[in-house]
Amino acid sequence: AQTVTQSQPEMSVQEAETVTLSCTYDTSESDYYLFWYKQPPSRQMILVIRQEAYKQQNATENRFSVNFQKAAKSFSLKISDSQLGDAAMYFCAYSPGDNNNDMRFGAGTRLTVKP
Amino acid sequence: DAGVIQSPRHEVTEMGQEVTLRCKPISGHNSLFWYRQTMMRGLELLIYFNNNVPIDDSGMPEDRFSAKMPNASFSTLKIQPSEPRDSAVYFCASSLTSGGAGKNIQYFGAGTRLSVL
Repeated sequence: AQTVTQSQPEMSVQEAETVTLSCTYDTSESDYYLFWYKQPPSRQMILVIRQEAYKQQNATENRFSVNFQKAAKSFSLKISDSQLGDAAMYFCAYSPGDNNNDMRFGAGTRLTVKP
Repeated sequence: DAGVIQSPRHEVTEMGQEVTLRCKPISGHNSLFWYRQTMMRGLELLIYFNNNVPIDDSGMPEDRFSAKMPNASFSTLKIQPSEPRDSAVYFCASSLTSGGAGKNIQYFGAGTRLSVL
């Protein structure tokens, strides 16, 4: 079974600075997808970024980027120029490449942004 | 598109009552998922449908829970009878499992916060 581990229950960052959230996963598959979702206090789950395992290039979405280390099964999220609106729970998720019926989520990291 | 629509946003009920949660997926999506989120257990997949057919309901906690998808644009999650331990936020998500840039991305509704007294 695939598992996703987020070892940082809480993180904080100063506004305008950079923070990295960690995620590791366990799988025997070679083709899969990895995701970061954001859940603000409104509780809406919002997709932040997606990485396809067969792509070596790290995904980037504006201030959000990932460091995907396939051999190490590591998938960290870097938030640059942090903004107050980035404060939220962040969930790392894994799904198999053939379908997404088995999406697994980590326990989440609560990010606080200090003004 | 309006996104995944769930109703109600909040539900308060008494133990023993029947509860029905509703979900309208994004038009054109062929997979639908029901999740439960609690502090203790995080996000748990309860059941998912492909093309309106239930594929895996192994996450459904017990027989008190049932889910249906009578057509591509509507699904329900029913709890009967409800118990206090069912209190949680229930999310519905939909996705497209065929090819394309959006493949395998799950889009979530705003969730239903259920409180069973």
